Amino acid sequence: GAGVSQSPSNKVTEKGKDVELRCDPISGHTALYWYRQSLGQGLEFLIYFQGNSAPDKSGLPSDRFSAERTGGSVSTLTIQRTQQEDSAVYLCASSSHSGRARDEQFFGPGTRLTVL
Amino acid sequence: DAKTTQPPSMDCAEGRAANLPCNHSTISGNEYVYWYRQIHSQGPQYIIHGLKNNETNEMASLIITEDRKSSTLILPHATLRDTAVYYCIVRATTSGTYKYIFGTGTRLKVLA
Repeated sequence: GAGVSQSPSNKVTEKGKDVELRCDPISGHTALYWYRQSLGQGLEFLIYFQGNSAPDKSGLPSDRFSAERTGGSVSTLTIQRTQQEDSAVYLCASSSHSGRARDEQFFGPGTRLTVL
Repeated sequence: DAKTTQPPSMDCAEGRAANLPCNHSTISGNEYVYWYRQIHSQGPQYIIHGLKNNETNEMASLIITEDRKSSTLILPHATLRDTAVYYCIVRATTSGTYKYIFGTGTRLKVLA
């Protein structure tokens, strides 16, 4: 079956513009995660969805970042008034049930965001 | 939230066992240890996880110390394709929700 997909794969934008990043999880996966990975760094947790709700938004770096998930499926991460420090690869992952021990996350290929 | 610490890099000869350590000294009793790896330019890939018992699957073995303050991922016969960044992760539980706290990772280089 299809894995996690993300679009666009690459996004170049100017400082101050808004961007939307999209994630299509594996069908039937109830849990969805967004991470950010700056060049040469590890993964930074941003937000977690269980269904359409986001019980944990603690990783969002500022109020310029927001995310939503509709229909328990597609998720959109929006960054308003982008700054150069927002440049990174944004990774999305989904899992079938975050309450189970196995809870393997399947990652998408990421969106590389470059803010000029 | 528990945090993990890992050596930044390691080398391993092809065909030998690669032993990757991780410290998670503040781990709580109900927090699992997960290992993922990230091959260049790809998303991370699940390897193995455990709570307190040692675990083995087709990819690797996970040894967790009795006090659960540290663990070791073992790749029994490393190949060149195992060259990657390996992340040791503690799955934190806060009010019934789950989030993954990635460590800095160990960059493993398997040498021919």
